Formats: sequence, C-alpha cells, structure tokens
Amino acid sequence: AQSVTQLGSHVSVSEGALVLLRCNYSSSVPPYLFWYVQYPNQGLQLLLKYTSAATLVKGINGFEAEFKKSETSFHLTKPSAHMSDAAEYFCAVRMRGGGNKLTFGTGTQLKVEL
Amino acid sequence: EAGVAQSPRYKIIEKRQSVAFWCNPISGHATLYWYQQILGQGPKLLIQFQNNGVVDDSQLPKDRFSAERLKGVDSTLKIQPAKLEDSAVYLCASSTPVGTGGDPSTDTQYFGPGTRLTVL
Repeated sequence: AQSVTQLGSHVSVSEGALVLLRCNYSSSVPPYLFWYVQYPNQGLQLLLKYTSAATLVKGINGFEAEFKKSETSFHLTKPSAHMSDAAEYFCAVRMRGGGNKLTFGTGTQLKVEL
Repeated sequence: EAGVAQSPRYKIIEKRQSVAFWCNPISGHATLYWYQQILGQGPKLLIQFQNNGVVDDSQLPKDRFSAERLKGVDSTLKIQPAKLEDSAVYLCASSTPVGTGGDPSTDTQYFGPGTRLTVL
C-alpha cells in the first residue's frame, strides 16, 4: 500500500527565510502527489499536485515542490516565508489507477517568527 | 462558486450517544468523501461515494458508523453509539464534476470546514 512520511511535525522559520517541508513517499510505481494546507478551524486547501507532467510543480502562494523519483521525495519549498504561511501542511499520495483515494501524511505545523 | 458546506461545526456529546453530521458538496460534484482527522494525524478516508453509490468504505467502522447519500447530492454521516476515540474532526470533500470527462485520479478534492466532535 502507498504511504507518505513527513519528517518533522513542527518547523519554525523566520519571516523572509526559506521554507522547506519534507515528504517522502512509498510506492512501487510513481504515484500522484499532493500538498494541502490547513489553516486553523478550516478545511484543507490544495497547494499543488504532481501528475507526471513537469517534475517541478508550482502552486499557489509562491509554493513549489519537486518530484524526485530517485529519492522518492516531494519536498515543499517557498523562497521567502510570510507570517500568513503559518499553518499545517499535509502531503498526500494517490495511486495511479487506484481510484480517488488520498492517503495523507501526519502533517507539519509551520511556525513563522518575526 | 459556493464551497463544500458542513454542519454543525462543533458537537459535544456523551459516550454511547448518537450523532449525525451533514455535508452538501459543491454543486455538480459526483464524488463525495468523508474523512476522519484525529488530533495530530492526517485525515483518514472513511467512505467515498460516486453519485449515490459507495465506492470505498473499507476503513469505515461499520458496527457504529453509517453514511448515506440517497439522492446523490448531500450526505449524512452517523455514529451510534459514540466512543471516546471518535473525538476528531470529520471532514467532507467533493470532486469530479459530472460529465466533464476529467481524470478522477487527479481531480482536486475540495474540502469543507469540518465538524469537530468531542466525546466525553
């Protein structure tokens, strides 16, 4: 079965610093990969998704992620953190030909400090 | 465009009581999902509907949880009787506009704000 592992349940960065949130997947074939963001008391919002086109995927709010098959990774980055980026971020995987089922990681809480 | 609506937003009950949650998906979305998100964990799929049929309910605790989507639009998730470990946020999501011919494997799931359940 497919799964994702998010390293670091809490990440803290300074405003203006690089944001790097890590996600590694486990799958026998390259899956579809997603990053979602969840603000307090809100539902999940899609940031970006990898569907086997370009390996570097650009999303909303200046975020991007790169699919690296050799490393089975799909890390999320943003060059310059903003206070409004403070939220919880979830990586998710969906198998090709496996229907619409999303399997989520345990999440990374991002804190942005002045 | 209106998003996924859920009610109530918060619910507190005693263990062994019953509770029901309601979800209205985005208009025209054929696929509806219920997820359970326990504090400190990622969402876990409980059940997936395609129109009014169940596609996947492999992780639904069927001895106490039930869900229906009778007319292929809104849906109700019920817990009876509730246990302490059912305390969680219950998220509803929808995807796949009917008749668009899109790829359901990559269609975006749009999430509602969730219902936070506390079982005492």
